[in-house]
Amino acid sequence: DQQVKQNSPSLSVQEGRISILNCDYTNSMFDYFLWYKKYPAEGPTFLISISSIKDKNEDGRFTVFLNKSAKHLSLHIVPSQPGDSAVYFCAASDRAAGNKLTFGGGTRVLVKP
Amino acid sequence: KAGVTQTPRYLIKTRGQQVTLSCSPISGHRSVSWYQQTPGQGLQFLFEYFSETQRNKGNFPGRFSGRQFSNSRSEMNVSTLELGDSALYLCASRSGAGGGNSPLHFGNGTRLTVT
Repeated sequence: DQQVKQNSPSLSVQEGRISILNCDYTNSMFDYFLWYKKYPAEGPTFLISISSIKDKNEDGRFTVFLNKSAKHLSLHIVPSQPGDSAVYFCAASDRAAGNKLTFGGGTRVLVKP
Repeated sequence: KAGVTQTPRYLIKTRGQQVTLSCSPISGHRSVSWYQQTPGQGLQFLFEYFSETQRNKGNFPGRFSGRQFSNSRSEMNVSTLELGDSALYLCASRSGAGGGNSPLHFGNGTRLTVT
C-alpha cells in the first residue's frame, strides 16, 4: 500500500523556467510534509517542509503548496537552475507517531541550460 | 556542526554473512532513524531510536536489528545476508522526539553489496 505517490518519474525543464513536482498521499493522519533532493551516491538533502496547518511555505526559489482536501502537495522551483538537476522525494509524517517518514518514489528532474 | 556520519561508505559481503553499519548523528540530536533505499522499493523505513530505545519499527524481518548508545550513536546489524539486502542504507537524525517541525537530516549512506 503506497501511502505517498509521485506519479511523474521524470521531468525536464528549461533553465529559468518553473519546475512543478507533484505528490499525493492517502493517509489522513499525515500532518507534516517534506521535500528532499538527492544526488547519486549522497543522502537526501532537506529542502523545505510544511505543516498541515498551513497551505503554503516559501523559502527562496522553493515553494511548497498543500491541499489537504485533495491530499496533494506540490513543490515549485522558480527559476530552475542546472544545479537543481537531481531526484526529488516528497515525504510525509504522522508526528504523533514519531519521526518515521513515508517517502514517495521520487521524480528525476533535469534542468537544461 | 558536522553532519550525520556513516561508516563504512561501501561494503561487500557474501550471502549468509552478517554486517554492522555505524552512524554518528549530528551533535545534540537524540533521535536516529535508519532507511533502506533500493531501486525497486524506494526509500523504506527500518527503525527509529530515541534515548537508546527503539520507538518505531518498519516492516522488515528480524534479521535487521539496531541499537543506540548513550552518546546517541547508532548501529544497525543485518544477519544471514541475502542478495536482496543489497541497498543503500541511510541513517538520519533529528533533535527532538517527535511532534515538532524540524526535519530529519540524512547521512550519505553505506552502500552494501551482497554477492
